[in-house]
Amino acid sequence: RKEVEQDPGPFNVPEGATVAFNCTYSNSASQSFFWYRQDCRKEPKLLMSVYSSGNEDGRFTAQLNRASQYISLLIRDSKLSDSATYLCAVDDYKLSFGAGTTVTVRA
Amino acid sequence: GAVVSQHPSRVICKSGTSVKIECRSLDFQATTMFWYRQFPKQSLMLMATSNEGSKATYEQGVEKDKFLINHASLTLSTLTVTSAHPEDSSFYICSARGASSASYEQYFGPGTRLTVT
Repeated sequence: RKEVEQDPGPFNVPEGATVAFNCTYSNSASQSFFWYRQDCRKEPKLLMSVYSSGNEDGRFTAQLNRASQYISLLIRDSKLSDSATYLCAVDDYKLSFGAGTTVTVRA
Repeated sequence: GAVVSQHPSRVICKSGTSVKIECRSLDFQATTMFWYRQFPKQSLMLMATSNEGSKATYEQGVEKDKFLINHASLTLSTLTVTSAHPEDSSFYICSARGASSASYEQYFGPGTRLTVT
């Protein structure tokens, strides 16, 4: 079983829509979780950390479900500029990344 | 945020040759640098972790004699792909972390796209 798994998508949504996707992790002892954004042929950029109580940053909401070992990312009011691949990462003294979920926002 | 540069951004080489990729932290001292590889539509895979002045720690399945890592200073790490083959064609990304940073505070370089013909 992979350490971190994501639904690859793609999620193709219209502008203004809400899109959400999950990422599962295998190590129940993992403590730190993150969402990164990666644009085509670019390096990943940290989008947000995921806290136990869930956290929100503008239109982005991240949540952690320890019981089921997954984290989620929800994007509200999607913009064209949100089109990207979203990578989840789990920090177990090193970052382990998922393969990414591709989101395409169409006009 | 901190800036990490990589050079070259793109390289095409012939099979059997060696390629060196540089990773530099421009405005902070990087005590730890990480090297990742990403194949199309796949996740970033950590290849190795290097701490300044010591030997790199390679992940399982990564050949240390093929992927030579040097971290001789607090601002520079190099990855040399020796005797490159077409299957080594990939996107290589480094990241760097300072001494006082939390483990997740890694700053990524822009990546190097290697194509071996």
